[in-house]
Amino acid sequence: KAGVTQTPRYLIKTRGQQVTLSCSPISGHRSVSWYQQTPGQGLQFLFEYFSETQRNKGNFPGRFSGRQFSNSRSEMNVSTLELGDSALYLCASSGGLAGTDTQYFGPGTRLTVL
Amino acid sequence: AQSVTQLDSQVPVFEEAPVELRCNYSSSVSVYLFWYVQYPNQGLQLLLKYLSGSTLVKGINGFEAEFNKSQTSFHLRKPSVHISDTAEYFCAVSDRGSQGNLIFGKGTKLSVKP
Repeated sequence: KAGVTQTPRYLIKTRGQQVTLSCSPISGHRSVSWYQQTPGQGLQFLFEYFSETQRNKGNFPGRFSGRQFSNSRSEMNVSTLELGDSALYLCASSGGLAGTDTQYFGPGTRLTVL
Repeated sequence: AQSVTQLDSQVPVFEEAPVELRCNYSSSVSVYLFWYVQYPNQGLQLLLKYLSGSTLVKGINGFEAEFNKSQTSFHLRKPSVHISDTAEYFCAVSDRGSQGNLIFGKGTKLSVKP
């Protein structure tokens, strides 16, 4: 089975721009979660989608948004980029039907905001 | 709110020595507990998880962890480390009522020296 894939792997943007990141979950998985990883704040939960609906949301401003498609692929969008948005963005997929499901992580997209 | 504390940000150890990476969580409710490993420029890989039952959990690559409810701890151990174990290790917790939302500790960088 193919693992979680994220595109692009690296991205450079300037302040004020917007960016869209993509995540393809493991086949059959219906839940996709997004996390931001920075040296200062560590790993922080952004949001989780299950069957095209946002099921959980972390404590991030509204500039961070996401969506999930009928094939479970998910996109994350960040508008009006700030320098502090520079981070590794990880997505994880799971079956999503039980809290015991393991989350499988992708390799991440490294976003640099200049 | 849930929180996870990894007591050591860096742990240097010599090859073939034992190692313990400490993790404490704060919760008054039942939780699931996880240890993930992250190699440079990669995503997170699950080492092991505690859902219920036996408090000693065995994972991949010879790692094990012990769940201690009274001390709210979930320390990770390996009796003999290898150079290839050099990586960053993350402890995470999720509420039993929550799905797709992991709360991570700040991570512990394990450095194995020859």
